[in-house]
Amino acid sequence: AQTVTQSQPEMSVQEAETVTLSCTYDTSESNYYLFWYKQPPSRQMILVIRQEAYKQQNATENRFSVNFQKAAKSFSLKISDSQLGDTAMYFCAFINFNNAGNMLTFGGGTRLMVKP
Amino acid sequence: DAGVTQSPTHLIKTRGQQVTLRCSPKSGHDTVSWYQQALGQGPQFIFQYYEEEERQRGNFPDRFSGHQFPNYSSELNVNALLLGDSALYLCASSPDTQETQYFGPGTRLLVL
Repeated sequence: AQTVTQSQPEMSVQEAETVTLSCTYDTSESNYYLFWYKQPPSRQMILVIRQEAYKQQNATENRFSVNFQKAAKSFSLKISDSQLGDTAMYFCAFINFNNAGNMLTFGGGTRLMVKP
Repeated sequence: DAGVTQSPTHLIKTRGQQVTLRCSPKSGHDTVSWYQQALGQGPQFIFQYYEEEERQRGNFPDRFSGHQFPNYSSELNVNALLLGDSALYLCASSPDTQETQYFGPGTRLLVL
């Protein structure tokens, strides 16, 4: 069974500073994608960034970047120049593509508070 | 381009009742997945529909059923509601089954 673990229930950061959210996962598959989703109080789940397991290069998306360590099964999210609008729940998620479909497996989430 | 839409936004039911939630996928998407998110937890996969068939199912009882229509929209039905069914129900869509899933705003269900 696939599992995703986020060991930091809550984190806080000062506006304009950098914060890193941790995620580890467990799978025996080789073809998979990893995602970070953001869920603000409005509750809409928004895609932040995606990483394909076959790519060695870490994904980046503006102020968001990941550190993907495939052997260690680690997938952390770095948010640079934090903004008040980054305050939200952040979920790490895993998807294993197979003929049966592509269900997302989520971690328990990290609540991030950006302080002015 | 409209994103994923869900209706209703909120719903209050009593134990034993039945409920139907609705989802319209993003334009160009043909695969719809449903997730249950209890308060303070990550979403849990319920099932996925593709070509009007249930393609994959998570660990949910048969009280949870669904349907996909020819226009790719989908319904989630829950029978014999329990207090524990109170949650945010999220719908996600993707093109075919091999792409990133995009989520709707969810339906908040409260069972009294």
